[in-house]
Amino acid sequence: EIELTQSPGSLSLSPGERATLSCRANQIINGAYLAWYQQKPGQVPRLVLQGASTRASGVPLRFSGSGSGTDFTLTISRLEPEDFAVYYCQQFGAFGQGTKVEVK
Amino acid sequence: EVHLEESGGGLVQPGESLRLSCAGSGFIFSDYWMQWVRQAPGKGLEWLASIKPDGTDLYYGGSVRGRFTISRDNIRNVFFLQMNNLRADDTARYFCVRGIGSGIYYNFFDSWGRGTLVTVSS
Repeated sequence: EIELTQSPGSLSLSPGERATLSCRANQIINGAYLAWYQQKPGQVPRLVLQGASTRASGVPLRFSGSGSGTDFTLTISRLEPEDFAVYYCQQFGAFGQGTKVEVK
Repeated sequence: EVHLEESGGGLVQPGESLRLSCAGSGFIFSDYWMQWVRQAPGKGLEWLASIKPDGTDLYYGGSVRGRFTISRDNIRNVFFLQMNNLRADDTARYFCVRGIGSGIYYNFFDSWGRGTLVTVSS
């Protein structure tokens, strides 16, 4: 079974800073099948990236994704106040445990 | 506008059963993969089950395989999660989720219901 491990568990940053979130799989996966979701407190998750690097509808350009094999990255180039949330990577059968991006 | 609405949650005792329903509207229901995802209080997301648009292929996560059954009714635009032999660690909010993509792997969760709470406790 696929296992996805996200790091760090939490990230304390200030608005305007760059956020780099990691997702590592326990086996080689096809990046075309990897997604990232954002969840804010009290809200349902929102699809951010699909296929490892394709932004979902309405997602700002500051969100980007990269990676291949077992290592994938979600980057938020300049954090806006609305970006502070928990982010999950996902591939069929598994979610990562999440990375919380919080205000420093 | 896509709308998904879950129902059927509640408080049950360990070992009991519960059936969740999810009604979809605002899209051609029979064209989409549908799934159930849950989130225990204060915890992360856990994928539970997915069902192919025509209902012929079903997939389950390891923690629920053999206890939960996913099904769908494309005439009524509704799908279900039959949950048997419930345990305390099944306590969570259960989301119904629409998937976009062409297969079980190429399947991204673009629309989520608000969720229904299931509590398993004696």
